[in-house]
Amino acid sequence: DQQVKQNSPSLSVQEGRISILNCDYTNSMFDYFLWYKKYPAEGPTFLISISSIKDKNEDGRFTVFLNKSAKHLSLHIVPSQPGDSAVYFCAASSTSGTYKYIFGTGTRLKVLA
Amino acid sequence: DAGVIQSPRHEVTEMGQEVTLRCKPISGHNSLFWYRQTMMRGLELLIYFNNNVPIDDSGMPEDRFSAKMPNASFSTLKIQPSEPRDSAVYFCASSRDSVKDTQYFGPGTRLTVL
Repeated sequence: DQQVKQNSPSLSVQEGRISILNCDYTNSMFDYFLWYKKYPAEGPTFLISISSIKDKNEDGRFTVFLNKSAKHLSLHIVPSQPGDSAVYFCAASSTSGTYKYIFGTGTRLKVLA
Repeated sequence: DAGVIQSPRHEVTEMGQEVTLRCKPISGHNSLFWYRQTMMRGLELLIYFNNNVPIDDSGMPEDRFSAKMPNASFSTLKIQPSEPRDSAVYFCASSRDSVKDTQYFGPGTRLTVL
């Protein structure tokens, strides 16, 4: 039973264009969401987060959007760069519960030069 | 500041053997997490410790898996006996205070059980 789903295993985007990575969740108790980026042979690194009191959070080229009614969040990367090529994991947690991170299966992004 | 350190980076063993994975969290961090990554299930939390005490081990798949944290700077994840389905990448992560804080991951141990 996957509570956090990333339905696109992979995505290819041209350098300079926008990358949009999607994530859906099923548990309405989730109120804190994160994106991690992972390069080969390395551990995941924190990228950006958003609380459910917001619907958007921006950090440089990275923006996360949250649609609570649809139980959907997305990560936008603008403009995409070859160095952004990595696996991106979406994670969710409940601040009123155990706070454990529930991760999705990841989306492999390839930015083409 | 050194990040989370894991050893070994790669482990190949035969079915039935005991496997021990090791982790040194970031100095000063009070919470430690063990995750397993597979293609099918992504990153799954196995267990987490706070101040060296296991808080939630509900993710540990079965009794073959055990984890210890004898002190603030060292943790082990042991699989005995190992099975081919245990093949995965195992990550250790730590956070400053609790599960609420940002988690920093180690480079992982790729385990292959033949």
